[in-house]
Amino acid sequence: SQTIHQWPATLVQPVGSPLSLECTVEGTSNPNLYWYRQAAGRGLQLLFYSVGIGQISSEVPQNLSASRPQDRQFILSSKKLLLSDSGFYLCAWSRPPSGGYTFGSGTRLTVV
Amino acid sequence: KQEVTQIPAALSVPEGENLVLNCSFTDSAIYNLQWFRQDPGKGLTSLLLIQSSQREQTSGRLNASLDKSSGRSTLYIAASQPGDSATYLCAVRGDSNYQLIWGAGTKLIIKP
Repeated sequence: SQTIHQWPATLVQPVGSPLSLECTVEGTSNPNLYWYRQAAGRGLQLLFYSVGIGQISSEVPQNLSASRPQDRQFILSSKKLLLSDSGFYLCAWSRPPSGGYTFGSGTRLTVV
Repeated sequence: KQEVTQIPAALSVPEGENLVLNCSFTDSAIYNLQWFRQDPGKGLTSLLLIQSSQREQTSGRLNASLDKSSGRSTLYIAASQPGDSATYLCAVRGDSNYQLIWGAGTKLIIKP
């Protein structure tokens, strides 16, 4: 069966510090991968998606970047965090072309 | 542009009742529709995925229907339990991209 791992679960970082969140998927190959952010009391915002190694599409201009160094690994990064980067970050995968989404357990990021 | 609406925004019912959550979408050209639940501070759990060619899906006490022509889906929960308390989200995947279009959710409270 397929599983998705996301870590860390919680993170408190000072403004201006770097960020690296990691997501890995097991039990499948060539998945579509996604990073979402959910601000407090708000809906889900798609940040990045990837259909293959090294292929990243960005949905919104922002302080964040994503990379996919391996087929089942998706990394969300920032060089310098802003207060507005605080939120709940969720990684997800789907099987192309029309598979449903499966989400990770999320990372709660607080920038102080 | 696809828009997804969920009604009601909140619902509080006594334990044991059967209930229906509604989801409507404006563009019938969809790949699939997916129902999720989100517990406070947690990630999203996929409940049911309905492909565009399907009319309904069932899992335990849950049944989801899809009527593409009218742009509607319903999630039926039978014999509700306090553990069903959560926010229920409906998401539609269009046929031209990888994005999910999200409803704002229905916050469900089941009173013991």
